Amino acid sequence: DAKTTQPNSMESNEEEPVHLPCNHSTISGTDYIHWYRQLPSQGPEYVIHGLTSNVNNRMASLAIAEDRKSSTLILHRATLRDAAVYYCILRINSGNTPLVFGKGTRLSVIA
Amino acid sequence: SAVISQKPSRDICQRGTSLTIQCQVDSQVTMMFWYRQQPGQSLTLIATANQGSEATYESGFVIDKFPISRPNLTFSTLTVSNMSPEDSSIYLCSARTGGFYEQYFGPGTRLTVT
Repeated sequence: DAKTTQPNSMESNEEEPVHLPCNHSTISGTDYIHWYRQLPSQGPEYVIHGLTSNVNNRMASLAIAEDRKSSTLILHRATLRDAAVYYCILRINSGNTPLVFGKGTRLSVIA
Repeated sequence: SAVISQKPSRDICQRGTSLTIQCQVDSQVTMMFWYRQQPGQSLTLIATANQGSEATYESGFVIDKFPISRPNLTFSTLTVSNMSPEDSSIYLCSARTGGFYEQYFGPGTRLTVT
């Protein structure tokens, strides 16, 4: 699996936007960019994924660089419930391939 | 979507003993996986649980230490054998339906070995 690089930790004020960066300079053409997050004492949960175009869903937005070597997860308005470890993962969209986790970014949200 | 439950949620075990963790999914899934999360660390993939055949283990994990069963499309077990304090971790079950992008995770089993 291609490697991703994320900052170890980030901090945000409540109700402000958060931009979580991810570098993946060795991404291949078949790799999708997935984001998962792990809330305290829970298993990871899916946030969003994309291939080339920017993506939006009810949880977040994903901005993908034109060369696909980096991406940014955007939380439009952070809440205390968004405090979690966020993982950026590359995976080909094959049914047999499991997620392989990197170290992720620990997001703290300050009231 | 799929909801995954695990039993037990936590346990404290003595070294040298074994513990079997059960994973139940509320719907049929194609793929099931087991992960380990050591304290303060990220998740490490242990193996892919294959229905009706031997599990596929990742480097550093062996069947004698972590035997896995998957008798059907909704259930799997992971046994942690001959435990030592280094096995103290959270063990997570995960599943995905083939063709879908989302991978679901159970709440984890917190194991402490004394």
